[in-house]
Amino acid sequence: AQTVTQSQPEMSVQEAETVTLSCTYDTSESNYYLFWYKQPPSRQMILVIRQEAYKQQNATENRFSVNFQKAAKSFSLKISDSQLGDTAMYFCAFMKPHNNAGNMLTFGGGTRLMVKP
Amino acid sequence: DSGVTQTPKHLITATGQRVTLRCSPRSGDLSVYWYQQSLDQGLQFLIQYYNGEERAKGNILERFSAQQFPDLHSELNLSSLELGDSALYFCASSAGRRDTPGPNYGYTFGSGTRLTVV
Repeated sequence: AQTVTQSQPEMSVQEAETVTLSCTYDTSESNYYLFWYKQPPSRQMILVIRQEAYKQQNATENRFSVNFQKAAKSFSLKISDSQLGDTAMYFCAFMKPHNNAGNMLTFGGGTRLMVKP
Repeated sequence: DSGVTQTPKHLITATGQRVTLRCSPRSGDLSVYWYQQSLDQGLQFLIQYYNGEERAKGNILERFSAQQFPDLHSELNLSSLELGDSALYFCASSAGRRDTPGPNYGYTFGSGTRLTVV
């Protein structure tokens, strides 16, 4: 079974600064996907960024980027130029693809990020 | 609007009661997933349906059951409710095809149903 660990329960950052959220995972699979989801106070789960394990290039979405270290089973999220709207819970998640069906996500425990003005 | 519709948004009920949560997946999606989130914890996978059939089970209690109907909407039934069942219940949908990398690959979550058992 896969496990996902987020070792930072809470973090804070000043507006316009950069912050990195950590995530490690444990799996014996070679093909899988990793995700970061954002959950603002509205509780909606919002996909931030996605990484395919077979791609060596780190994914980037505007101010969000990841540092994917497959051998170390590490998947950190970097938020640049932090904005007040980035304040939220951030969840790291693992997905192992299956044929002919969808795929269940295994979530970490989350990191609560507070962006301070 | 994510395209995944969950009703009701809020539900308050007493211990011992039974409730039904409803989910309509995004148009074209064949898979529906149910997750439970308790008190700012991570989401726990409950169950998955694909095109009407149960495909995977996670940490779902025997008091809970689900089904997916021919029109692909799904219902999660929670019975003999206990205080500890109070949580946010999410439904998500995906296309369910073999992994096809692309900008939309992955899940789409609904906005959740907040269940409070008193």
